[in-house]
This record gives sequence, structure tokens and C-alpha cells, in this order.
Amino acid sequence: ETGVTQSPTHLIKTRGQQVTLRCSSQSGHNTVSWYQQALGQGPQFIFQYYREEENGRGNFPPRFSGLQFPNYSSELNVNALELDDSALYLCASSPTGTRVNYGYTFGSGTRLTVV
Amino acid sequence: DQQVKQNSPSLSVQEGRISILNCDYTNSMFDYFLWYKKYPAEGPTFLISISSIKDKNEDGRFTVFLNKSAKHLSLHIVPSQPGDSAVYFCAGSGNTGKLIFGQGTTLQVKP
Repeated sequence: ETGVTQSPTHLIKTRGQQVTLRCSSQSGHNTVSWYQQALGQGPQFIFQYYREEENGRGNFPPRFSGLQFPNYSSELNVNALELDDSALYLCASSPTGTRVNYGYTFGSGTRLTVV
Repeated sequence: DQQVKQNSPSLSVQEGRISILNCDYTNSMFDYFLWYKKYPAEGPTFLISISSIKDKNEDGRFTVFLNKSAKHLSLHIVPSQPGDSAVYFCAGSGNTGKLIFGQGTTLQVKP
């Protein structure tokens, strides 16, 4: 059973650029969520996808967008990058639609630095 | 609005002793609370959860206590081991499934 894999592991972008982060869910998981973890903070919910549809969104602007593919892999896209977007971006998957009393499986994250 | 708070940024305990990590919340709609452990350069790993209708859940060395009237939960690790040294996050979950995390507490277990 493979876990959640994210790519790339590290990325440096310039302010104003666009970035795409990728995530492969754990086998059998059809729900994926993305979180942003700033330095010294806990992860913050960006959005969640279930069967290729967005079914929940946190307090993030529209320049944060996502996709989930039929194989349940996922992308996070961020347009017009700002310095404050520098953070660790975590992908998490679950086999259920929304209920997670036993916890999501997280990937190791993509460290994005915006300069 | 910080719905989940971990007011202690760090905690240091001696190997073999008890570690107690605390978490406070404000959102009464949470129906599950979860604890995650995070090592550097790794993603958070699920540790233990508790339903809001319970007041205690135990799994080996890890026990989570929930005090709904005080809106407080705690994670007890007994006995603490050096491998437990990590950042611990508590999180609340409602019917949307999204997790609201606290800021984390860094636990150091000294040999």
C-alpha cells in the first residue's frame, strides 16, 4: 500500500508567478484535501475534493484553485504568487467522503518559497 | 478567530515520565478531536482521536481526555520515549470533515 506522495518537495518561485503542486492519493482514497502550513503555525485548510468535485473551501482567495483527476490524484494551483504564500503545502487523503474520525493520511509536503 | 489553541509552544520531559499536551477549543460543533505527530521533513501522522461524546480514549501509551464543559482536551503519553520527540498538533473536525489545527507543541523527551 503506497502512501500519499507529493511533488516537488521544494520549489522557489518569484512573486507574481504561478505554481502547480501535485499529489498522488493513497490507493483506495477518493477524498483529498490541501493544507497550508506557515512557519510556526498549524496547517490551515485550503479546500477538499471528493470524486473530482470541490466540496469544501477554507478562507483562501480564488487564486488558490485545485483539481482532482479520475485516478484521485490532485493538483493545487496558485496564481499571482505573493511573498506570504511561502509555506509548506500538505496534501491529505481519505477513503471516505467527509467523515474522518480516524484521521487523514498526509504527504510529506511541498516547501514553496516565494522571493 | 483561533478555534483551536495550543498555548504551550514547547514541553520538555524526562524519558519514562508522563508527557501532557494540552489543547483548548471554542467551536462547540466539533464532533471529533484528533492528535497528530509531526517529525521534521515529514507530513503529520495520525496518532489518536476522540469522539465528542466520549471523555477518554486510550491506545497503548497514548490517552486523550476530553472535558467538554471546559472545552479542553489533553494528550497523555506514558511512559515518554526519546522517539516521541516531535511537534504535536491537536485538531477539531466537524461534519464537513475539514480539520482545524492548533499551532502545535514541540515535545522533547530527554534520555
